[in-house]
Amino acid sequence: DTEVTQTPKHLVMGMTNKKSLKCEQHMGHRAMYWYKQKAKKPPELMFVYSYEKLSINESVPSRFSPECPNSSLLNLHLHALQPEDSALYLCASSQEQGLNTEAFFGQGTRLTVV
Amino acid sequence: AQSVAQPEDQVNVAEGNPLTVKCTYSVSGNPYLFWYAQYPNRGLQFLLKYITGDNLVKGSYGFEAEFNKSQTSFHLKKPSALVSDSALYFCAVRDPNNAGNMLTFGGGTRLMVKP
Repeated sequence: DTEVTQTPKHLVMGMTNKKSLKCEQHMGHRAMYWYKQKAKKPPELMFVYSYEKLSINESVPSRFSPECPNSSLLNLHLHALQPEDSALYLCASSQEQGLNTEAFFGQGTRLTVV
Repeated sequence: AQSVAQPEDQVNVAEGNPLTVKCTYSVSGNPYLFWYAQYPNRGLQFLLKYITGDNLVKGSYGFEAEFNKSQTSFHLKKPSALVSDSALYFCAVRDPNNAGNMLTFGGGTRLMVKP
C-alpha cells in the first residue's frame, strides 16, 4: 500500500462552519505534512508532524488546527475560515523527516469557503 | 537560504520528441533534489530523486534527470514524450543546513505534449 488517502475530495463551507480534513497512510511513515496549494502555484508547507508530534508550524493562522491522533492519521480542523483560504489542501507522508526521503502525496481536498 | 527555480512556465513538445524541463537550485550545502508531477485535479506524484552518486538518475515512467553541480542544475528529461505526460512538474530541494529538512518547491512548469 503506497497510498495517502484524503477525505473528503471536495468541501464547501461557510465562514462560520467548523469542518475537518482527514488523511490516512499505512506505509509506516513517521512524518506527515499538510500543504496548501493555490491554482497553478507550488504547494506551501503548513505543518509537519514527526513521530506524532508537531515539529513545524509555518506561522499558520490559528483558524487551522492540526491533529495527529496516531501514526497513521492526520487531521486538519478548520474554523472561521476566510474566502482566501479556498485552495487545494494536500497531505503527504515520508518515512521520516529526513533529507533523502521522498514525500508521498494524497490527491488533496479541494476546499471552497463561501 | 535555499531556493529552487524553474525558468519556464510552460514547455510545449510534440509527441515522440525528447523533452526537457529545467530546474536550477541554490543551497548552502549538498542538495537533495526531487521531481514531482501533478496531473489535473490530483496530488503530486514522485518521479525521482538525487541524493548522491551517479549524476544521471532514472525514475518512474521513463523519466530521468541529470545533476550538474557546476551549473547547479537538475533538469528533468525523457527521450520520447507521450501525450499522457502532460502535467505540471515541480522540482524540489532539501538543504541539509536548513533546520527541519523542509522540502522547498520551484514555481512549477506546465508541460504540454501535443499529438
